[in-house]
Amino acid sequence: DAGVTQSPTHLIKTRGQQVTLRCSPKSGHDTVSWYQQALGQGPQFIFQYYEEEERQRGNFPDRFSGHQFPNYSSELNVNALLLGDSALYLCASSLNARSSYNEQFFGPGTRLTVL
Amino acid sequence: DQQVKQNSPSLSVQEGRISILNCDYTNSMFDYFLWYKKYPAEGPTFLISISSIKDKNEDGRFTVFLNKSAKHLSLHIVPSQPGDSAVYFCAASRSIIQGAQKLVFGQGTRLTINP
Repeated sequence: DAGVTQSPTHLIKTRGQQVTLRCSPKSGHDTVSWYQQALGQGPQFIFQYYEEEERQRGNFPDRFSGHQFPNYSSELNVNALLLGDSALYLCASSLNARSSYNEQFFGPGTRLTVL
Repeated sequence: DQQVKQNSPSLSVQEGRISILNCDYTNSMFDYFLWYKKYPAEGPTFLISISSIKDKNEDGRFTVFLNKSAKHLSLHIVPSQPGDSAVYFCAASRSIIQGAQKLVFGQGTRLTINP
C-alpha cells in the first residue's frame, strides 16, 4: 500500500520564476492538504482540496494556487517566487469520512530553494 | 500570531528515563490535538492524539495529557529509547467543516535520547 508520494524531491529556482509541485495521496484517500515548513519552524497550512475544489485556505497570498485531479492527486503552484518561499513543502492526504476527525498522512516533502 | 507554541527547541534525555515534551495553545476553539514525530528527510508521522473531551490518552509507551484550563498539553514517553530521537511537533485543529480540519503546528522540539 503506497503512502503519500511527492515529486520532485528537491528543486532549485530563481526569484520571479514559477514552480509546480506534485502529490499523490495515500490509496483510498480523497482529500489533499498542502503545508509549508520553513527552516526551524513547524508546518504551516496553505490550503486543502476535496472534490477538485479548494475547501479551506490558510494565510498565504494568491501567488500560491493549487489543483486537484479526478484521481485525487494534487498540484501546488507558486508564481513569482520570492527568496522567502524557500522551504519544505509537505502534502498530506486524508479520507473525508463522516467522523469528527480525519487523520492526515504526510509525504516526505519537496525541498524548494529559491536563489 | 503563534497559536500553538513549543517553548523548548531541544530536549536531551537518557535512555530508559521519561521524556516530557510540552505544548501550549492560545485558541480555546481547538478541539483536537495531535503529536507528530519527524525524522530527517521524511514527512511527519502521526504518533498519538487526544480529543478535548478527554484529559489523557495512552498508547504503549506514549501518553498525552491535556489540561484545557491551562491550554497546555504534554507528551510523555517512557521508557525513552534511542529510536525516539527525532523532532516532535504538537498540532491542534478545530472542527469547522466536517472532514476539513487544518492542522496548526508548533515549532517543534528536537528530542535526543542518549545511551
